[in-house]
Amino acid sequence: DTGVSQDPRHKITKRGQNVTFRCDPISEHNRLYWYRQTLGQGPEFLTYFQNEAQLEKSRLLSDRFSAERPKGSFSTLEIQRTEQGDSAMYLCASSLEGKGGAFFGQGTRLTVV
Amino acid sequence: SQQGEEDPQALSIQEGENATMNCSYKTSINNLQWYRQNSGRGLVHLILIRSNEREKHSGRLRVTLDTSKKSSSLLITASRAADTASYFCATYSGGGADGLTFGKGTHLIIQP
Repeated sequence: DTGVSQDPRHKITKRGQNVTFRCDPISEHNRLYWYRQTLGQGPEFLTYFQNEAQLEKSRLLSDRFSAERPKGSFSTLEIQRTEQGDSAMYLCASSLEGKGGAFFGQGTRLTVV
Repeated sequence: SQQGEEDPQALSIQEGENATMNCSYKTSINNLQWYRQNSGRGLVHLILIRSNEREKHSGRLRVTLDTSKKSSSLLITASRAADTASYFCATYSGGGADGLTFGKGTHLIIQP
């Protein structure tokens, strides 16, 4: 297993368009997290899955954001009607329940123009 | 919202010196973790210290935790140019559902 992978690495989109990002966690990890990071800041928690169940959503996650993890493996994060303020690095992380530490992917850098 | 606050925000030292970064947090925690992030890349987990532990070592890293002061420190000994990165502390409060809460990070520059 090569770790957490995210696709695409970079995405430039026009304001108002929809975008979808994918995250493939480490295969045996049952927990999957999405974070957003803007320049000069630490990552901010967006949402969390345990297996296929979405257990928590941050208030940062407006109704334009939706995340899924349909089979408890990979996850997608969709942003509808993108705004310039959505420009950020979107990080995915996975972990195994009861084991310390989360493993992060390289992130998807979104630029909304 | 970000719970952890790292101090200093930026640190520049000579190669071979030790680097110390501090982190303060606000609420009770289950564990505290330190991560490294190279520019434009994902985060790498460095070390985890549980709330009932006071000190932990991993290679050139030493982490301390003082739950009474709600603070932690990360010491990197014998720094190398490759240690240049941003370092974040992240707290986990348990319950499973709230993920990690990160600070804003300390940007460390090791000058050769």
